[in-house]
Amino acid sequence: AQSVTQPDIHITVSEGASLELRCNYSYGATPYLFWYVQSPGQGLQLLLKYFSGDTLVQGIKGFEAEFKRSQSSFNLRKPSVHWSDAAEYFCAVGAGGSYIPTFGRGTSLIVHP
Amino acid sequence: DVKVTQSSRYLVKRTGEKVFLECVQDMDHENMFWYRQDPGLGLRLIYFSYDVKMKEKGDIPEGYSVSREKKERFSLILESASTNQTSMYLCASSLPERELFFGEGSRLTVL
Repeated sequence: AQSVTQPDIHITVSEGASLELRCNYSYGATPYLFWYVQSPGQGLQLLLKYFSGDTLVQGIKGFEAEFKRSQSSFNLRKPSVHWSDAAEYFCAVGAGGSYIPTFGRGTSLIVHP
Repeated sequence: DVKVTQSSRYLVKRTGEKVFLECVQDMDHENMFWYRQDPGLGLRLIYFSYDVKMKEKGDIPEGYSVSREKKERFSLILESASTNQTSMYLCASSLPERELFFGEGSRLTVL
């Protein structure tokens, strides 16, 4: 079975600074990988996804993520954070043949003005 | 755009009441999911359905049941609500082995 680890429970950055949120997965084959964002009191919105092909994936709101097979990682990045990016971020992994993706516990992003 | 609609954003119920949470999706997705979200625990899968009338237990099915009589609708039922079921409930749908689309959530408080 697959598993996902988001090592950082909280991340604090200043507005305008760069951001990297970490995600590590455990799965024997090439997984499907996702990043979701959740604003307070809302559902989860898909930021980006990786199924195959180019390992650098562009998403919405200026986010990107890079799949690194050798490190079993799929870290989310943004070059310049805006105050509106403050939210909870979830990494998820899906495996071929499984209908059910596994979610990490989330990383809460706090943005200081 | 895919739309997943949860019938109630906020509910307040009393202990022992029967609670229905409804979820409707408009993209003909085969898969539908019910998650529970609590601070520090992330998303925990309650039940999953991959077809009409088909369901599978997730990680925390105790105290819950589900119904999927039509492809677009997936209901979560709390037969006798308890205070430890106070939580945010999230419904999602997807095509097989594709990304999930989530509703806005239903925040349930059981008094």
